[in-house]
Amino acid sequence: GESVGLHLPTLSVQEGDNSIINCAYSNSASDYFIWYKQESGKGPQFIIDIRSNMDKRQGQRVTVLLNKTVKHLSLQIAATQPGDSAVYFCAESLYAGNNRKLIWGLGTSLAVNP
Amino acid sequence: DTEVTQTPKHLVMGMTNKKSLKCEQHMGHRAMYWYKQKAKKPPELMFVYSYEKLSINESVPSRFSPECPNSSLLNLHLHALQPEDSALYLCASSQEYRGPNQPQHFGDGTRLSIL
Repeated sequence: GESVGLHLPTLSVQEGDNSIINCAYSNSASDYFIWYKQESGKGPQFIIDIRSNMDKRQGQRVTVLLNKTVKHLSLQIAATQPGDSAVYFCAESLYAGNNRKLIWGLGTSLAVNP
Repeated sequence: DTEVTQTPKHLVMGMTNKKSLKCEQHMGHRAMYWYKQKAKKPPELMFVYSYEKLSINESVPSRFSPECPNSSLLNLHLHALQPEDSALYLCASSQEYRGPNQPQHFGDGTRLSIL
């Protein structure tokens, strides 16, 4: 299953399938990107990050892809499990003046059907 | 389990009450953050402390007063809150504030309800 984070806030997938959550970021000056997972009743949990000088990074069952040409970020989750059900936020980080700014996406809710 | 600990987990208070939210981290991080999160929305930054000094105040009303007693602790003092202040209040920390490649690590928040 696949979603566009800003336009389809809910993604429903079958257990065992791969999930793709997409995010369109806003600022070409962003140099660092993070994916967070937020389960119900908990705070955002860091999943994986990627620097702007990379286009792919892999973790355990997760892969982040970065396409700077079209300002697009995606999170791929392999063999999705019920425990993956959560809201996923992308965030872009950039320097703004003298400060580092973190801009959050609106989030995508992932529902895993057993 | 999160490495950022927030207390209390839940708080119900009247509009005339004074209460405090507490946050603690022992990762040696020098930047700490307060966020407000409404249901089904991303977190909104309120304050940033860097090396125990207030670096950012995102135009937060004065009824919210942050305090950083030391590098491990962050408090948020609440007074005369309004019903619209009901939300999940999240604390986060990172190694440095202005450094690149710095993921923030979050606590599980305090669920605040204003009567």
